Amino acid sequence: DADVTQTPRNRITKTGKRIMLECSQTKGHDRMYWYRQDPGLGLRLIYYSFDVKDINKGEISDGYSVSRQAQAKFSLSLESAIPNQTALYFCATSDGLTVWTGELFFGEGSRLTVL
Amino acid sequence: AQSVAQPEDQVNVAEGNPLTVKCTYSVSGNPYLFWYVQYPNRGLQFLLKYITGDNLVKGSYGFEAEFNKSQTSFHLKKPSALVSDSALYFCAVNPGGYQKVTFGTGTKLQVIP
Repeated sequence: DADVTQTPRNRITKTGKRIMLECSQTKGHDRMYWYRQDPGLGLRLIYYSFDVKDINKGEISDGYSVSRQAQAKFSLSLESAIPNQTALYFCATSDGLTVWTGELFFGEGSRLTVL
Repeated sequence: AQSVAQPEDQVNVAEGNPLTVKCTYSVSGNPYLFWYVQYPNRGLQFLLKYITGDNLVKGSYGFEAEFNKSQTSFHLKKPSALVSDSALYFCAVNPGGYQKVTFGTGTKLQVIP
């Protein structure tokens, strides 16, 4: 089983619908992240959480919200999806031991298409 | 603010030839630098990192990278390319201590049989 699991892996939805992408991890890491990947733009940070009570906005948080339900679970929500949120979304984790290096462990990705 | 540049969208190399994927960075202070690889329909996988010490860093699958502080570069290299190395490669930088890693735009490596 993967250490960082994302569900769903693929989702097609319509404009205005609410969508939740879920991430769970078995690595025991405190820190979790949501990134968005777009062709030619690389990965951009949406939100990150250093522990259950700590949530921080990344560089492109508008239109997104997150919930850290437990140390192992971090969900990303699109309250009202729009077509330009069509992208590949990645959850990632890191542990406190590598806080000063920034090495990340990624899930397999969730491909979201908003029509 | 930190930034990473990968000047080539795609690099083509013949199997068995040496390969280089370029990366330059801009950051205040001493950077922590990374290379990640993404195979089709997969997440990113860590290849190697530079934290401090020897400027030549060795990583997974025979890859290495050379940190050049004066040129602010961290190019990825491999002496002999394999077809299985074909993938998307990302350079990333962490300015240290903040866990806000910035990624480059990615370079697609195509190894031609």
